[in-house]
Amino acid sequence: AQTVTQSQPEMSVQEAETVTLSCTYDTSESDYYLFWYKQPPSRQMILVIRQEAYKQQNATENRFSVNFQKAAKSFSLKISDSQLGDAAMYFCAYRGPGTASKLTFGTGTRLQVTL
Amino acid sequence: NAGVTQTPKFQVLKTGQSMTLQCAQDMNHEYMSWYRQDPGMGLRLIHYSVGAGITDQGEVPNGYNVSRSTTEDFPLRLLSAAPSQTSVYFCATSKGLSYGYTFGSGTRLTVV
Repeated sequence: AQTVTQSQPEMSVQEAETVTLSCTYDTSESDYYLFWYKQPPSRQMILVIRQEAYKQQNATENRFSVNFQKAAKSFSLKISDSQLGDAAMYFCAYRGPGTASKLTFGTGTRLQVTL
Repeated sequence: NAGVTQTPKFQVLKTGQSMTLQCAQDMNHEYMSWYRQDPGMGLRLIHYSVGAGITDQGEVPNGYNVSRSTTEDFPLRLLSAAPSQTSVYFCATSKGLSYGYTFGSGTRLTVV
């Protein structure tokens, strides 16, 4: 079974600084999809960024970018110019190939943003 | 376009009671799933569906039942509530493999 590991339960960053959240996963598949979700205190799950494994180019969405290392099975999220509104739980998720594929989540990293 | 609508937002049940959590979507997504979120454990898959009439078990299916008679609706039934089912429940939908899931706003369920 696929597993997703987020080894940092909590992280802290100062406003306007850059922070990187780590994620590793285990799979025997070559084609799959990876996601980062943000969950603010409102508890709504918000898709931040996604990456297809067959694409070598790292995905970028405004201040959010990923470092996808397929051989190392690593998928870290970098948040640049951190803002107070970035404070939230961040979940890494994996989705395999096939029509019945499911989304497997890590346990999350709580990000605090300080002034 | 309402997206994914979950009802109710909060619920308190007594042990042994049954109830249905509702999930409706208006995006014509084929994939629908139910997750539960517990502290320190991330989100775990309960049941999922890849289309109307097709459902399957996820990681933690015991004590829960689902059906998918239409594309739009995917209700989750708790057959006989137990305190271990105290959790936040999310319904999520997706239009395809390469797309992320769109989540409902969640239901906080407490079983006493």
